[in-house]
Amino acid sequence: GESVGLHLPTLSVQEGDNSIINCAYSNSASDYFIWYKQESGKGPQFIIDIRSNMDKRQGQRVTVLLNKTVKHLSLQIAATQPGDSAVYFCAENRRYSTLTFGKGTMLLVSP
Amino acid sequence: ETGVTQTPRHLVMGMTNKKSLKCEQHLGHNAMYWYKQSAKKPLELMFVYSLEERVENNSVPSRFSPECPNSSHLFLHLHTLQPEDSALYLCASSQEVQRGADTQYFGPGTRLTVL
Repeated sequence: GESVGLHLPTLSVQEGDNSIINCAYSNSASDYFIWYKQESGKGPQFIIDIRSNMDKRQGQRVTVLLNKTVKHLSLQIAATQPGDSAVYFCAENRRYSTLTFGKGTMLLVSP
Repeated sequence: ETGVTQTPRHLVMGMTNKKSLKCEQHLGHNAMYWYKQSAKKPLELMFVYSLEERVENNSVPSRFSPECPNSSHLFLHLHTLQPEDSALYLCASSQEVQRGADTQYFGPGTRLTVL
């Protein structure tokens, strides 16, 4: 069935390392993808997005890569900091603005 | 922080109570959403409103009743809930409800516990 999911439920990294969070999607008709960060006790916060006509987009310390051939999305965080510890969700836009979210990956950054 | 506020932040209610959750957005958006976030499950879309008109209802039980009096305010009326309805309820808004790139901005959520 159609789904948006994450490969790893928990990712532990050392401060200063680069982090890579992965996401798989199954609907090739999806044309817009978003990464959200959710800290404890807060709602999801927009990080970065990418359209299906792109394969890479960079923000401040974050890069999103889209591989449409294998329906894979990744979020790279450079020089990970303790404040980056959170749950990260990928979301897929299929129609209107009805987002479908994956289960999320917990990123744990240790000093 | 995001321009979307929710009240109350925490709510404990019995199964026979009636309560309401409130959401307000200060972003000038035309679309508003209710999501349910349970432990170990993906975010579940409940309702979508566009210019105060409901455009999507994802098979949500009738004990949840949304109301959108204007494009800035969204309510979720709760009645005769079950313990399994305990979750974080998130409100979001976006500029429009349309196919394509339209980022949703979330409020902090209401943590609901049903006893």
